[in-house]
This record gives sequence, C-alpha cells and structure tokens, in this order.
Amino acid sequence: AQSVTQLDSQVPVFEEAPVELRCNYSSSVSVYLFWYVQYPNQGLQLLLKYLSGSTLVKGINGFEAEFNKSQTSFHLRKPSVHISDTAEYFCAVSVVQPDMRFGAGTRLTVKP
Amino acid sequence: DVKVTQSSRYLVKRTGEKVFLECVQDMDHENMFWYRQDPGLGLRLIYFSYDVKMKEKGDIPEGYSVSREKKERFSLILESASTNQTSMYLCASSWTGDADEQFFGPGTRLTVL
Repeated sequence: AQSVTQLDSQVPVFEEAPVELRCNYSSSVSVYLFWYVQYPNQGLQLLLKYLSGSTLVKGINGFEAEFNKSQTSFHLRKPSVHISDTAEYFCAVSVVQPDMRFGAGTRLTVKP
Repeated sequence: DVKVTQSSRYLVKRTGEKVFLECVQDMDHENMFWYRQDPGLGLRLIYFSYDVKMKEKGDIPEGYSVSREKKERFSLILESASTNQTSMYLCASSWTGDADEQFFGPGTRLTVL
C-alpha cells in the first residue's frame, strides 16, 4: 500500500520569503499526488494535483509542486509567501479509488 | 461549486451518549468518506461508502458505524461516545475515477466529556 511522509511538521517563514514544504511517498506502482490546504477552522481544499505528464504542476494561490519519480518526492513551493498563506498543508497519494493516503501535515506560519 | 456540508461545526457530548454526525454533498458523487483528524496524525479514514447502502471499513472503524440511505447523505454514528473520540471529523466526497480528488466539508469538532 502507498504511504506519505511530510518531512517537516512546522515551517516558520517571514513574509515575502520563498518556502518549500517537503513530501515523500512510497508506492510500488504509479501514483496520483495531491496537495491540500486547510485554513484555520475550515475543511481541506485542493491546491494542486499531479496525474501524469509535465512534472511541474501549478496550482492556486501561486503554489507549484514538482514530481520527482526517482526521488519519490512531490515538494510544494511558493516563491514569495503572504500572511494569508498561514495554514496547514497536507500531501496525499492515491493509486486507486477510494484509497487516498494523507501525510501528517505541515503547519506553515508566515510572520510579518 | 461542489459543496459538502456538515450538520454541526462544534459538538459537545457526554461519555456514553449516541452521537450522529451528518454530511450532505450536492454534486451527485458516488463516493463519500469520513475521516478523523488529530494533531500529528493527519487524516485517518474511518469509513467510506461507494454507493447507497454500501460501506467499507477504513483504518480505524472501531467504535463507529455509518449509514447511507440516500446518495447525497452520509452519516457517522458513535454508538457510545468515549473521551478518546474527541477529535475533528471531516466528511468528503468524490467521483469514482482513480485520479479524482476529494472535496471536503468544514469539519465537526467533537468534544466528549
């Protein structure tokens, strides 16, 4: 079965700095990869997903992620963060429905 | 826009009470899910349903049951609430394609005293 590891539980950064949230996955077959964001007191919403094709995926709010098959990684990046990006971010991997596996989450805190 | 709604945002119950959490989606999705979210553990799947009256256990089904009598509605039932069931509960729905993302409700924060 597939699994996901988010390498950082908390990432503090200053406003306008770049950020990378790291995600590694484990699977013996091809996977679909997702990043979700959870703002305080809200449910999860999809940031972006990788299905196939180009390894660089662009999502909402200026985020992008790069799929690296050899390193089994799917790191999320943003070149310049805002205070409003403060949230918890979840990486998820799916092989077949409905078995989607989520990481433990990374709490991004953007400081002024 | 897909909308997934949950009946309560916050709920406080006493140990031993029977608790119902309701979830409704408006996109005619076949799949519906109940997750539990705890700090440092991410989301853990309790149950999912792929059709009306059909259900499958997830990773942590003990102490929970579910009901899906209509396609748009999926209920989570705590038969006898315990303090270790204090948590955030998230409902989600999706189409059946392997690459389809899940759409989440706002969550219910349940406290069992």
